[in-house]
Amino acid sequence: DQQVKQNSPSLSVQEGRISILNCDYTNSMFDYFLWYKKYPAEGPTFLISISSIKDKNEDGRFTVFLNKSAKHLSLHIVPSQPGDSAVYFCAGTQGGSEKLVFGKGTKLTVNP
Amino acid sequence: KAGVTQTPRYLIKTRGQQVTLSCSPISGHRSVSWYQQTPGQGLQFLFEYFSETQRNKGNFPGRFSGRQFSNSRSEMNVSTLELGDSALYLCASSDRGPLTGELFFGEGSRLTVL
Repeated sequence: DQQVKQNSPSLSVQEGRISILNCDYTNSMFDYFLWYKKYPAEGPTFLISISSIKDKNEDGRFTVFLNKSAKHLSLHIVPSQPGDSAVYFCAGTQGGSEKLVFGKGTKLTVNP
Repeated sequence: KAGVTQTPRYLIKTRGQQVTLSCSPISGHRSVSWYQQTPGQGLQFLFEYFSETQRNKGNFPGRFSGRQFSNSRSEMNVSTLELGDSALYLCASSDRGPLTGELFFGEGSRLTVL
């Protein structure tokens, strides 16, 4: 049972445009969601998070939107930069636990 | 502040052997979690330790075990290795501050089982 799904394995965008990465979840007990970015040969690094009591959180070029009724969240990167090229993982957790349930990731390529 | 350090970075074992991986968390972090990353399954939670106690465990067989020491360093062990255990094993630490679930990951130990 895949509780967190990232249905797009890859996404390609032009530099300067918006990147939108999507994530769906099935576990309604999740109360916190996170996005991680992973470069090859490195561990994932935390990008941005959102509590289930909010519907939007913004940090610089990165904004995460949460639609609880649809059990859907998305990460917007504006403007996209070539250095954003990486694999992005969405994750959910419950009660602040370190047990994160990850999606399988979306590989973002930002073309110069 | 030094990041999460994992050793060894790469290792090759054969089926039936056992392996021990080590993780040193960020100084001051008391929680250590382990994740397995494979191409087919993505990132999957193995277990989490806090103050030398296992607090959470994922859905892995008993061949996967771990422990945490009083200095918060952690080890995980996989016994009777199988080909399917080939994966990147990631350790993550957190300071258990605000309940954000934010984890700081190491670069991982890449295990190949032949």
